[in-house]
Amino acid sequence: SYELTQPPSVSVAPGQTARITCSGDALPKQYAYWYQQKPGQAPILVIYKDTERPSGIPERFSGSSSGTTVTLTISGVQAEDEADYYCQSADSSALYRVFGGGTKLTVL
Amino acid sequence: EVQLVESGGGLVQPGGSLRLSCEVSGFTFSSYWMTWVRQAPGKGLEWVANIKEDESERYYVDSVKGRFTISRDNAKNSLYLQMNSLRAEDTAVYYCARDFALDYWGQGTLVTVSS
Repeated sequence: SYELTQPPSVSVAPGQTARITCSGDALPKQYAYWYQQKPGQAPILVIYKDTERPSGIPERFSGSSSGTTVTLTISGVQAEDEADYYCQSADSSALYRVFGGGTKLTVL
Repeated sequence: EVQLVESGGGLVQPGGSLRLSCEVSGFTFSSYWMTWVRQAPGKGLEWVANIKEDESERYYVDSVKGRFTISRDNAKNSLYLQMNSLRAEDTAVYYCARDFALDYWGQGTLVTVSS
């Protein structure tokens, strides 16, 4: 079955830039989406269609894509950004969705 | 204001059944695909199933095929997940969300499969 691969954890000091990657063979053909989830809360969409930012999401959140890897970048990380982040996309048939394993972002 | 409210979770014995509901308001429900996502305790998100606006297409993760059925009632703005032959590994918080971007989520309902 199709898989998306994320690093389990990323750590960054406040004010620095955090980059979280997500790799998958179908990513050149399928859009990626990114979600932020804090403990005890439902996920929130922070990036859609690889690079688009929903209204209400701070500008420090951005997305990029290159080949089989997509990247969520958080510039000027704040303490409130500490959370789990998940990428999501579809397999090559576009019929089945999959989430990455999640990345725990720690703000030092 | 968009709202998705799940209900129907609870404790069920292995082999049992449960039906989850998701009541939607704040957008035209009949114009969107809808999705169920689950999260086992301490684990990551797992896509479970989705359904087209008119129910003509439904897709499932392999682990629930033949046991779970996704359905909807556009007149009631409601999404459902019928879960049969439940296993311990189905224990999770189940979320409904608006497809494809999963831009709106409910608060989740906990399903516990245990004897």
